[in-house]
Amino acid sequence: KQEVTQIPAALSVPEGENLVLNCSFTDSAIYNLQWFRQDPGKGLTSLLLIQSSQREQTSGRLNASLDKSSGRSTLYIAASQPGDSATYLCAVRSNTGTASKLTFGTGTRLQVTL
Amino acid sequence: DGGITQSPKYLFRKEGQNVTLSCEQNLNHDAMYWYRQDPGQGLRLIYYSQIVNDFQKGDIAEGYSVSREKKESFPLTVTSAQKNPTAFYLCASSGPGQHSSREQFFGPGTRLTVL
Repeated sequence: KQEVTQIPAALSVPEGENLVLNCSFTDSAIYNLQWFRQDPGKGLTSLLLIQSSQREQTSGRLNASLDKSSGRSTLYIAASQPGDSATYLCAVRSNTGTASKLTFGTGTRLQVTL
Repeated sequence: DGGITQSPKYLFRKEGQNVTLSCEQNLNHDAMYWYRQDPGQGLRLIYYSQIVNDFQKGDIAEGYSVSREKKESFPLTVTSAQKNPTAFYLCASSGPGQHSSREQFFGPGTRLTVL
């Protein structure tokens, strides 16, 4: 059974700092990995999706990497801003069966302070 | 604007009542999903549907039911058999196509509270 872990559970950094969020998964047989952002009381916003054949994806100040063999992904946020404060979730789509079923981590709650 | 809508935003249920949460999408996605989110836990899959008139149980389907009569709509009913229904419910969709990335997009959620 796939299990997804995110460390740290919470992180507080000053504005302008570069930071890395970590995601690990137990079964390397994945189809893709998706990073989401969730603001308090809101739905999830998709940030980046990395296919299993890819090593990284970039969108603006965000860069996500994937090392499938070691079961790890990182989300790099450059020059953090207070508006980046949110919970960041990673989710893995395993390539067993035909359904697009995601297994989620419990998230990293990020606070960027002035 | 294309997107996923969920209603209501807040819902209160009395003991023994069935309630239905609405989810509508205009993204022309073939697959739709229902998740439950509890504090300190990751999202857990309740039900999913790959095509109209077909759906499968997820990891925590007991006490829930769904229907998929239209491509755009995937309502979730929380029955009285669900013993701990207080949670944040999220609907998602993905597609199209069998070999697409199936990136999932989420609605704004419904917060259900049992009184």
